[in-house]
Amino acid sequence: QSALTQPASVSGSPGQSITISCTGTSSDVGNYNFVSWYQQHPGKAPKVVIYEVTKRPSGVSSRFTGSKSGNTASLTISGLQAEDEAHYYCCSYAGSRTYVLFGGGTKVTVL
Amino acid sequence: EVQLVQSGAEVKKPGESLRISCKGSGYTFAGYWIVWVRQLPGEGLEWMGIIYPTDSDTRYSPSFQGQVTISADKSINTAYLQWNSLKASDTAMYYCARRFGTSFDAFDIWGQGTMVTVSS
Repeated sequence: QSALTQPASVSGSPGQSITISCTGTSSDVGNYNFVSWYQQHPGKAPKVVIYEVTKRPSGVSSRFTGSKSGNTASLTISGLQAEDEAHYYCCSYAGSRTYVLFGGGTKVTVL
Repeated sequence: EVQLVQSGAEVKKPGESLRISCKGSGYTFAGYWIVWVRQLPGEGLEWMGIIYPTDSDTRYSPSFQGQVTISADKSINTAYLQWNSLKASDTAMYYCARRFGTSFDAFDIWGQGTMVTVSS
């Protein structure tokens, strides 16, 4: 099964809000409320920022919010900060054969 | 401190075998699924498979089924990822991570990664 589709890059100025989309199908994103988002800085392990579509783990800034509509999930970063510059990957449960798919990743640049 | 510590970088030749490890500490290792994730150089993340150390229940991505073996030894709080015959295309960073939540897609604690280089 193909990876989830994300834009290759998104940019914004400090203080602005940006939204990253993650498009799947009715077999993954559209069928389960199990979408997570990961932030990865260069040379570092990924870090979860959103899970189960909208939930934020303890310690993650409230500037990160997740949502879903149909087959597309979204991550919004509000009040963009320099430290938010990183790659972001969406991830979705895809059933008991495929299990889990990642998106191709989006590079967020803070201008 | 809850952490996963992975074994060090490896350089191997095509056709060789390899097993890398992921040791958990600071929590009940057997009670949490451990996933393995591949990241090819300059590329994105790929979910390889997941194991429950309590009973070694293991699930594989169709893309990796038959290509690797995931195992665990709960007595020493360690999960493993193994290859019988490496290929150059296996060159990548490999991460282990601990599942949390109620699905196979959410992972809260990650290892530092193990870089595997396969070259003749």
